[in-house]
Amino acid sequence: QQQVKQSPQSLIVQKGGISIINCAYENTAFDYFPWYQQFPGKGPALLIAIRPDVSEKKEGRFTISFNKSAKQFSLHIMDSQPGDSATYFCAASIKGGTSYGKLTFGQGTILTVHP
Amino acid sequence: KAGVTQTPRYLIKTRGQQVTLSCSPISGHRSVSWYQQTPGQGLQFLFEYFSETQRNKGNFPGRFSGRQFSNSRSEMNVSTLELGDSALYLCASSLLLAGAEQFFGPGTRLTVL
Repeated sequence: QQQVKQSPQSLIVQKGGISIINCAYENTAFDYFPWYQQFPGKGPALLIAIRPDVSEKKEGRFTISFNKSAKQFSLHIMDSQPGDSATYFCAASIKGGTSYGKLTFGQGTILTVHP
Repeated sequence: KAGVTQTPRYLIKTRGQQVTLSCSPISGHRSVSWYQQTPGQGLQFLFEYFSETQRNKGNFPGRFSGRQFSNSRSEMNVSTLELGDSALYLCASSLLLAGAEQFFGPGTRLTVL
């Protein structure tokens, strides 16, 4: 059962454009939603994260939008750069309880930013 | 502060063998989680350890096991390797008790022939 669905699978954007990646979740117990960036040969790196008590969080060129009623959240990359070309994963987790340390990941989006 | 380190970085084994992978968390982090990453299944949670105790386990067969030492370093073991075990094995460490913010190591690339 895939609890976090991510789209699109791949995305091509021109330099300076906006990249948008969407995720939808099923489990309403999720209360932490991070985004990870992964370059080839590297482990995922935490990019930005949000909790459901806020609808938006911005860090530099990266913004998470969160819609609790729709059970959806998205990553916006403003002014996309070729160096942003990587695979992006959304994830979700439940704080505490029996779900310690478990992140449930989306399937990933391969972002290519053309110069 | 040094990041999460994993050894070895690359490993080639044959079917039926067993393998042990090692992970050293960020200094001060007490929670260690393991994930398997494959092109087909993506990133899947294996298990999580805190203070030498396994607190959570993913949906993997018993051939996959792990442990954590008193210095928070962790190992995972896969016995009776199968071709389908070929994957990137990632370790993540966390400072918080709930393990929400996780920082990943570079992974160990395991190839089973």
